[in-house]
Amino acid sequence: DSGVTQTPKHLITATGQRVTLRCSPRSGDLSVYWYQQSLDQGLQFLIQYYNGEERAKGNILERFSAQQFPDLHSELNLSSLELGDSALYFCASSVGASGGYPTDTQYFGPGTRLTVL
Amino acid sequence: ELKVEQNPLFLSMQEGKNYTIYCNYSTTSDRLYWYRQDPGKSLESLFVLLSNGAVKQEGRLMASLDTKARLSTLHITAAVHDLSATYFCAVVKSGAQKLVFGQGTRLTINP
Repeated sequence: DSGVTQTPKHLITATGQRVTLRCSPRSGDLSVYWYQQSLDQGLQFLIQYYNGEERAKGNILERFSAQQFPDLHSELNLSSLELGDSALYFCASSVGASGGYPTDTQYFGPGTRLTVL
Repeated sequence: ELKVEQNPLFLSMQEGKNYTIYCNYSTTSDRLYWYRQDPGKSLESLFVLLSNGAVKQEGRLMASLDTKARLSTLHITAAVHDLSATYFCAVVKSGAQKLVFGQGTRLTINP
């Protein structure tokens, strides 16, 4: 158990809908990252937040957005869902943002499996 | 753009044998990680390698890093069935924080 929690574990929804995925980082970690894992794209970085502020952006679609709240939990919002958005969405957390902690391993949560029908 | 390539992508081997998974990356990196993923599960951190010549070992797994060649290896010694999983290497670009993952190597160890 990494200490990172994600809810829900599974989500089944229809095209065009909107969903929210939630992540709580490990105690003491200030950074939260979101990744998408799919068969065709592999593991792809979406976005990073550090202490409430967006720090880095990856291959995140405009239909997707995220935020990190004062208690450091994060939510990933996916809207106008398409069949191709079906994937496993992971949240990870680490202590720092960049450069401050030499190892700064990212610890991954159990993931949310999203199925869009 | 930082690219990370692993090979082989699929590996089926017998218990007791040794093998190596290779991870090449395209640009200078601060550090390299190895993760393990069991089917339908999350990613478990195995090793972090920070500097040229770094070697880390845990049980039957040993990871090494050659920053000049931009190459990391994950060596499996005397494989056992419990090591069956998908192994990912991931690289952090210098000055950044996001992980760029390789495609993963699906390792199956047969009795």
